[in-house]
Amino acid sequence: GAGVSQSPSNKVTEKGKDVELRCDPISGHTALYWYRQSLGQGLEFLIYFQGNSAPDKSGLPSDRFSAERTGGSVSTLTIQRTQQEDSAVYLCASSLEGGRTSYEQYFGPGTRLTVT
Amino acid sequence: AQKVTQAQTEISVVEKEDVTLDCVYETRDTTYYLFWYKQPPSGELVFLIRRNSFDEQNEISGRYSWNFQKSTSSFNFTITASQVVDSAVYFCALSEAGGGNNRLAFGKGNQVVVIP
Repeated sequence: GAGVSQSPSNKVTEKGKDVELRCDPISGHTALYWYRQSLGQGLEFLIYFQGNSAPDKSGLPSDRFSAERTGGSVSTLTIQRTQQEDSAVYLCASSLEGGRTSYEQYFGPGTRLTVT
Repeated sequence: AQKVTQAQTEISVVEKEDVTLDCVYETRDTTYYLFWYKQPPSGELVFLIRRNSFDEQNEISGRYSWNFQKSTSSFNFTITASQVVDSAVYFCALSEAGGGNNRLAFGKGNQVVVIP
């Protein structure tokens, strides 16, 4: 079946502009995650969505970052007023939801964001 | 707080040699899950294995094997008879069941280079 898809694959933007990154999870996966991968910080958790529950935003680095998930499926990560330190690969993952059971997360190919 | 340590940054081996990647974790939760992911040069994270804290049985899958030891908080990964296609970055990750979001805490990764 289809895996997690993300778009765009690459995004170059000027400092101060807003960007939107999209994630389409695996069908049937109710849990969706955003992570960020950068050379200095490694892989960092950003935000988690589960069904219709309020998202866990505890990993978002600043209030310039926000995300939404519509209809329990597609998610959009928005970064406002981008800064150079936002340059990274943004990864989306999805999994089955098991409450206190952590199922494996399947990752998309990522969006490489470069802020100039 | 959950933490994963992968001490070896880069490991080079000659093809057909075995390579073992060490992973040490910290958690206060009694129920947790451990994972290994592979990130080849293409960049996409590929799920390899998931293990819960109550199952210390070692596992073998083809040339891959995993050794889970709760007494030393380690979940080590061995590639037997390495091949050039094994060249990648390998990440160990931890998820705490009591965390409420099943987020993955990743180690810094082991860059494995298999020399033909």
